[in-house]
Amino acid sequence: DQQVKQNSPSLSVQEGRISILNCDYTNSMFDYFLWYKKYPAEGPTFLISISSIKDKNEDGRFTVFLNKSAKHLSLHIVPSQPGDSAVYFCAASVGASGTYKYIFGTGTRLKVLA
Amino acid sequence: ETGVTQSPTHLIKTRGQQVTLRCSSQSGHNTVSWYQQALGQGPQFIFQYYREEENGRGNFPPRFSGLQFPNYSSELNVNALELDDSALYLCASSLPEQTEAFFGQGTRLTVV
Repeated sequence: DQQVKQNSPSLSVQEGRISILNCDYTNSMFDYFLWYKKYPAEGPTFLISISSIKDKNEDGRFTVFLNKSAKHLSLHIVPSQPGDSAVYFCAASVGASGTYKYIFGTGTRLKVLA
Repeated sequence: ETGVTQSPTHLIKTRGQQVTLRCSSQSGHNTVSWYQQALGQGPQFIFQYYREEENGRGNFPPRFSGLQFPNYSSELNVNALELDDSALYLCASSLPEQTEAFFGQGTRLTVV
């Protein structure tokens, strides 16, 4: 039972354009959502998060949107850069502060073409 | 640089053997979680330790066990290794009152 789904295994985008990565979830009890980026031979690196009480969070080129009624979130990267090429994981969590446990999606491999 | 380091980076073991993977967190990170990432999959939650006690476990058998030490280091032990245990094992730690966890670079375990 996949509670967090990333239905697009891969995405290619031209440099300078917008990248949109999508994530769906099934458990309405999730209270925090995060995006991680992973390069080969490295651990996941935290990008941005959003609380379930918000619908948007922005950090530089990265914006995460949350649609609770649709149980859907998306990560927008504008403008996309070749260094953004990596695997992006969506994660959802539930738990008391400091003891969050994550459920990850299967990842989307983003390739930004120069 | 997340301040979370794992050792070893790569390991090859034979089916039936036992393995211990280690993780060193930043000072003050009193929560540590371990994840297994199989090829082509997202990380799967194994268990979490909070202040040296297990604080939740995913769908993994008892032969997966762990320890957390007062110096913010931790261990993942796997007994009776199976071929399907071949994966990247990730350690993640976090500060109190913090939502995001910081991951180490992982240990690539191959069981032959």
